[in-house]
Amino acid sequence: KAGVTQTPRYLIKTRGQQVTLSCSPISGHRSVSWYQQTPGQGLQFLFEYFSETQRNKGNFPGRFSGRQFSNSRSEMNVSTLELGDSALYLCASSLAEGQDVLAKNIQYFGAGTRLSVL
Amino acid sequence: QKEVEQNSGPLSVPEGAIASLNCTYSDRGSQSFFWYRQYSGKSPELIMFIYSNGDKEDGRFTAQLNKASQYVSLLIRDSQPSDSATYLCAVGALSNFGNEKLTFGTGTRLTIIP
Repeated sequence: KAGVTQTPRYLIKTRGQQVTLSCSPISGHRSVSWYQQTPGQGLQFLFEYFSETQRNKGNFPGRFSGRQFSNSRSEMNVSTLELGDSALYLCASSLAEGQDVLAKNIQYFGAGTRLSVL
Repeated sequence: QKEVEQNSGPLSVPEGAIASLNCTYSDRGSQSFFWYRQYSGKSPELIMFIYSNGDKEDGRFTAQLNKASQYVSLLIRDSQPSDSATYLCAVGALSNFGNEKLTFGTGTRLTIIP
């Protein structure tokens, strides 16, 4: 079974531009969560999508947005990029449904997209 | 106060010794606890999860949970150089939507000294 796939792996943008990142979850997983990872702040939760709906949201400005498609693939968009947006962006997928309460919430991470804003 | 706290390290342990990683959390409603390992430049990978008080063992790894003290730990026995990585503690609590939302600690950097 293929893992979580994120594209692109690396991005270089300049301030003010916008960027779109893509995440394909593990087959059968319906929940996709996005995280920002920086050396100083660690792993910060951005938002989570399930069945094309945003269920949870972290404390990030409205410049950060996302969506999920009917095949569970998800995209994240950052508009008006700032230098501080330079980070590793990780997505994680989980089953999010089913009888196994223990297994359905385990999150599996993709390799990430490293974004550099110049 | 951070919701999930870990000592950032670095924690240096001789090869073959026991590495002990600790994590405390603030939300008493937390129900699930995970340990992820992250090698430099790589994404986090799940190594252990625990839901009930007590110990859970998997090979060289043992997760320990004490909900009364809001404390979870990871022990690595017979530490190997390949265990050198950052270990992230994640704590799950039910969201308003009935699913679990994970909160991560900032991680502890572990170095195994040959």
